[in-house]
Amino acid sequence: DAGVIQSPRHEVTEMGQEVTLRCKPISGHNSLFWYRQTMMRGLELLIYFNNNVPIDDSGMPEDRFSAKMPNASFSTLKIQPSEPRDSAVYFCASSGGTSGGAGSYNEQFFGPGTRLTVL
Amino acid sequence: GDSVTQMEGPVTLSEEAFLTINCTYTATGYPSLFWYVQYPGEGLQLLLKATKADDKGSNKGFEATYRKETTSFHLEKGSVQVSDSAVYFCALSAWRSGTLTFGKGTMLLVSP
Repeated sequence: DAGVIQSPRHEVTEMGQEVTLRCKPISGHNSLFWYRQTMMRGLELLIYFNNNVPIDDSGMPEDRFSAKMPNASFSTLKIQPSEPRDSAVYFCASSGGTSGGAGSYNEQFFGPGTRLTVL
Repeated sequence: GDSVTQMEGPVTLSEEAFLTINCTYTATGYPSLFWYVQYPGEGLQLLLKATKADDKGSNKGFEATYRKETTSFHLEKGSVQVSDSAVYFCALSAWRSGTLTFGKGTMLLVSP
């Protein structure tokens, strides 16, 4: 299995531009997670999907951020307009089961991340 | 809400030294506990886990025991190698949702 695939690996853009990050989860996994990693705040969960449905987007920082999962094999995280404080590494992760309490946890498999720099 | 606190790094050790990275948590219900490792330029990988009190997770010489009485899950390894240099994250899975809450990570640097 190829694992979780993210693209691009690196993105440099100017403030105000739209940025789209892409993720392909592991085939057969039905939960998908988007995280942001920064030195100051560590690793933060932005949003997660279960069976392509957004379950919790309370971690999405602002309306400038949006995420979609049109099918089981693809998800996007979009930032419009981007700002320098959005610079971070964005990770996508997938897991093979439904989330729901102790005993039902399934290991999350992480992609290599997209390093975003907004100038 | 749920939270995880880990010791700040970097932790700098010589090869074959003993490693301890402290982790404590605050959570409602009965979380599962995890250690993830992140090598430079890569995503996080699950290192070990424990799903109930007194469970010991182990992998690649690393161990951690789920201590409910002290709400801790400290990571240990008897003899570290240069290849263990990485950032280590302690995490818990929420009782209701199963989502992960991570600590801020501890960088480990092992010199020959």
